[in-house]
Amino acid sequence: GQNIDQPTEMTATEGAIVQINCTYQTSGFNGLFWYQQHAGEAPTFLSYNVLDGLEEKGRFSSFLSRSKGYSYLLLKELQMKDSASYLCAVRPFSGGYNKLIFGAGTRLAVHP
Amino acid sequence: NAGVMQNPRHLVRRRGQEARLRCSPMKGHSHVYWYRQLPEEGLKFMVYLQKENIIDESGMPKERFSAEFPKEGPSILRIQQVVRGDSAAYFCASSTGTDTQYFGPGTRLTVL
Repeated sequence: GQNIDQPTEMTATEGAIVQINCTYQTSGFNGLFWYQQHAGEAPTFLSYNVLDGLEEKGRFSSFLSRSKGYSYLLLKELQMKDSASYLCAVRPFSGGYNKLIFGAGTRLAVHP
Repeated sequence: NAGVMQNPRHLVRRRGQEARLRCSPMKGHSHVYWYRQLPEEGLKFMVYLQKENIIDESGMPKERFSAEFPKEGPSILRIQQVVRGDSAAYFCASSTGTDTQYFGPGTRLTVL
């Protein structure tokens, strides 16, 4: 089966750092994606990991450990506009087969 | 470079009517995916299409739902004889193949 777990909600303070965890158990693994989704809007792509380690992109970083089935998204210097849902998604299959399995999302609230 | 386009953005149908949702992928993208998002839930994969081919429809309900991506024109998700439980946001995404999926703004379907 396919299972992706994330915390349902998190809160943080403006200017702080927050880490959103994601654990997965899937029938295969060919990459992990993080998307941001503001209420009522489309998910927007944040990051992609397929090899172990940290990928940094501005205020956002994403880490992957394939052996542990674990990823996290790190948001630094939090801003009010970062209040959104953060979706973890796994691509289980290789060979050009691009289907994604999503977690339920983590709703982040940033307070002043 | 226009992004993924979906229309209509909002659709209201009465029980028993048909709903047609359209998706135009990003320029240069030949892979289209449909996802459904119920309130407070994550994105659920429905169907994966390439031009004139259904690659994976494992997430589609067995009855009343169908999808196509013709050689010319947008991809269509069709829901026949809608019921209240079909009320959801339907998102389309597109990609070049094994690349990142980019999402459209979604169609919010309300069944009265």
